[in-house]
Amino acid sequence: IVLTQSPGTVSLSPGERATLSCRASQTVTRDFLAWYQQKPGQAPRLLIFGATSRATGIPDRFSGSGSGTDFALTISRLESEDIAVYYCQQYGMTPYTFGQGTKLEIK
Amino acid sequence: QVQLVESGGGVVQPGRSLRLSCAVSGFTFSSYAMHWVRQAPGKGLEWVALMWHDGNNKYYEDSVKGRFTISRDTSKNTLYLQMDSLRTEDTAVYYCARGLPPNEVPDYWGQGILVTVSS
Repeated sequence: IVLTQSPGTVSLSPGERATLSCRASQTVTRDFLAWYQQKPGQAPRLLIFGATSRATGIPDRFSGSGSGTDFALTISRLESEDIAVYYCQQYGMTPYTFGQGTKLEIK
Repeated sequence: QVQLVESGGGVVQPGRSLRLSCAVSGFTFSSYAMHWVRQAPGKGLEWVALMWHDGNNKYYEDSVKGRFTISRDTSKNTLYLQMDSLRTEDTAVYYCARGLPPNEVPDYWGQGILVTVSS
């Protein structure tokens, strides 16, 4: 399954809302779609799994939506600490695949 | 707390072998599936391999099938990735990650270890 993320880069101001898209080339089995945040020099951090469930300790500013082939990660009330690259991943069938990432910049 | 620590990386010539280790603590290793994921310099994430908690099922990304082998030693709380016939395109930071039951989404990740394949 090929995952295509858009946009490639998004630049927003603190307090704004960011919506990141992830589109799959075929239906993601049982909506097994995850979102990760990766800051420079760090390992990825799981944000969302099962398309909509927040991982442990993730603030409710982060939310996931979608099903089938179209998914989104929304970050409300952007903060400077949200600067990172965000990846989606499908884990419904092997080989598990990642999107190419969306880079979030804060103005 | 959950910890995963990779080791065994370094510089290796094309065609040679290397074995990565991932020492885990803070959870019952034998109850969890485990993944390897890699990231080439300046590039995105690429899933490499998965092993179920019981060790009976293993899955690989197509480009590493037949060259890489995932394994685990529950007595040592350690996950391994044996990498044979290495290619320059295998150069990457390799992460081990725990699979969150019941659907094995990678939740906790190690800090990563760099493997450089170069002559």
